[in-house]
Amino acid sequence: KNEVEQSPQNLTAQEGEFITINCSYSVGISALHWLQQHPGGGIVSLFMLSSGKKKHGRLIATINIQEKHSSLHITASHPRDSAVYICAVSWETSGSRLTFGEGTQLTVNP
Amino acid sequence: KAGVTQTPRYLIKTRGQQVTLSCSPISGHRSVSWYQQTPGQGLQFLFEYFSETQRNKGNFPGRFSGRQFSNSRSEMNVSTLELGDSALYLCASRGGRFSYEQYFGPGTRLTVT
Repeated sequence: KNEVEQSPQNLTAQEGEFITINCSYSVGISALHWLQQHPGGGIVSLFMLSSGKKKHGRLIATINIQEKHSSLHITASHPRDSAVYICAVSWETSGSRLTFGEGTQLTVNP
Repeated sequence: KAGVTQTPRYLIKTRGQQVTLSCSPISGHRSVSWYQQTPGQGLQFLFEYFSETQRNKGNFPGRFSGRQFSNSRSEMNVSTLELGDSALYLCASRGGRFSYEQYFGPGTRLTVT
């Protein structure tokens, strides 16, 4: 079964801390996405990766294709980073349809 | 460019009724995918349309259907609503057939009573 696993499910941090969220998947992918969802439901695409590393502001995403693992890092976390972060993949055999992890609820306290 | 829009944003229906949700993709995008999000099952893929053709379908009963128009706008329909259909329904658009980046709309929150 094609699966996406995220950890941790919940994460509480103090403002300024370095945060890491992990994602593992079971078989070959065409692309891996990191998504952010705020209360109210809207989803924003943070990164799409098929190899290597991407950086945008305080956010960094990495992927290791051989180990089937990706990480999302947030440096100098801020309360406005509080949201659900979701890892999603497009399997090699399934076109662009996304399979999602369960999400990580991040709370950053001031 | 305007983002992905979905209407209505909120909807309350009664069991047994049917509902139609609408999604307008980013201008120029030809692919629209639909997703259901529930507390129990998380986010799940419903179907994808590209150039008015259904390209991919998730594991949902036949009560869930969709279509895409020549202007790329898409609708999804759920017939004979059940309590378990209460969910946030999200659509996402992407630009080309071989482009994997998806842009999500704000969602339609459906409550079935």
